[in-house]
Amino acid sequence: SQTIHQWPATLVQPVGSPLSLECTVEGTSNPNLYWYRQAAGRGLQLLFYSVGIGQISSEVPQNLSASRPQDRQFILSSKKLLLSDSGFYLCAWSVQGAEKLFFGSGTQLSVL
Amino acid sequence: AQSVSQHNHHVILSEAASLELGCNYSYGGTVNLFWYVQYPGQHLQLLLKYFSGDPLVKGIKGFEAEFIKSKFSFNLRKPSVQWSDTAEYFCAVAGNNDMRFGAGTRLTVKP
Repeated sequence: SQTIHQWPATLVQPVGSPLSLECTVEGTSNPNLYWYRQAAGRGLQLLFYSVGIGQISSEVPQNLSASRPQDRQFILSSKKLLLSDSGFYLCAWSVQGAEKLFFGSGTQLSVL
Repeated sequence: AQSVSQHNHHVILSEAASLELGCNYSYGGTVNLFWYVQYPGQHLQLLLKYFSGDPLVKGIKGFEAEFIKSKFSFNLRKPSVQWSDTAEYFCAVAGNNDMRFGAGTRLTVKP
């Protein structure tokens, strides 16, 4: 069966520090991968999605970047965090060509 | 343990039929509630959300949802579905530090 792992669960970082959130999927090949963010008081916002290794599409220009170094690994990064980067980050995957999403457990990021 | 349950895996309706998708949750503390939709070939988008106030929430495209605190439910409704409502629907619950999704309900509307 397929599983998705996302870590860490919580993270507190100072402004200006780097960020690396990792997401891996097991039990499937060539998934679509997604990074979403939920800011306080708002719904989910799609940040990045990837349909294959090295293929990243950015939905919202911002301080963050994403990479997909391996088929089932998706990394969200920042060189210098801003206060506005605080929020809840969710990784998700889907089968290529299908709509159903499967979500990770999320990372609560607090930038202080 | 915190959880979100969507009762129906796949719902098939004819056009003009009424829709109700169930969502129940188990969560401690104050929650925010959401329904998201993913249309074929598109990304997830927000249908409606409940944070506080009137428990009957109206969203886009004629959808509404009712928060019943005593039943820990947030069911999605639409009086008359259209073929274009065919999609995957996700209920989500956000607490202080996390957000959880239901497994999703696939809605197929037959013309």
